[in-house]
Amino acid sequence: AQSVAQPEDQVNVAEGNPLTVKCTYSVSGNPYLFWYVQYPNRGLQFLLKYITGDNLVKGSYGFEAEFNKSQTSFHLKKPSALVSDSALYFCAVRDGPFGGYQKVTFGTGTKLQVIP
Amino acid sequence: NAGVMQNPRHLVRRRGQEARLRCSPMKGHSHVYWYRQLPEEGLKFMVYLQKENIIDESGMPKERFSAEFPKEGPSILRIQQVVRGDSAAYFCASSPGTGDYNSPLHFGNGTRLTVT
Repeated sequence: AQSVAQPEDQVNVAEGNPLTVKCTYSVSGNPYLFWYVQYPNRGLQFLLKYITGDNLVKGSYGFEAEFNKSQTSFHLKKPSALVSDSALYFCAVRDGPFGGYQKVTFGTGTKLQVIP
Repeated sequence: NAGVMQNPRHLVRRRGQEARLRCSPMKGHSHVYWYRQLPEEGLKFMVYLQKENIIDESGMPKERFSAEFPKEGPSILRIQQVVRGDSAAYFCASSPGTGDYNSPLHFGNGTRLTVT
């Protein structure tokens, strides 16, 4: 069974500092990994994904994530945090490829607070 | 805006009443997913549907909950005889179609159900 863990309920970072939001996963096959962001009273918005290829994936709003197969991690990063980055961040994983349907499993979310 | 549309945004029901949540997928999408979000619990998968077909309902409670996605019209998540524990935010997401499991999910802004 696939699973994803976000070990930190909340991350606080000063504006302008680099930020990291952690994610680890467990799958049977090759992982398809995603990061989403949720602002208050809104749905989730897609940030970036890793399917195959380069371990460093670049996404929306200056975010990037690093896939590490040996550590089964997919940490979200940004070189310089903005106050507007404050939101809830979800890591998600889909097991594969099996040529068919595999549901997406989400982590419990990490609240990012960027302090001015 | 051809995004995922959910209505109503807020729904208040008394215990024992029925709740109907509607979701129109993104234009061109034929797959719909329903998730429930509770504070501290992240996003929980409920059901995955294609038009006129339930593909995966492994996350649906066995009683009182049902979902459909008819040939015409929106997907409906139905909760009968609601209880206070059903109070949550319910999110719908859509994706393009079969075989496109690497595509990110597109989420609506959710329906916030409050049971009094």
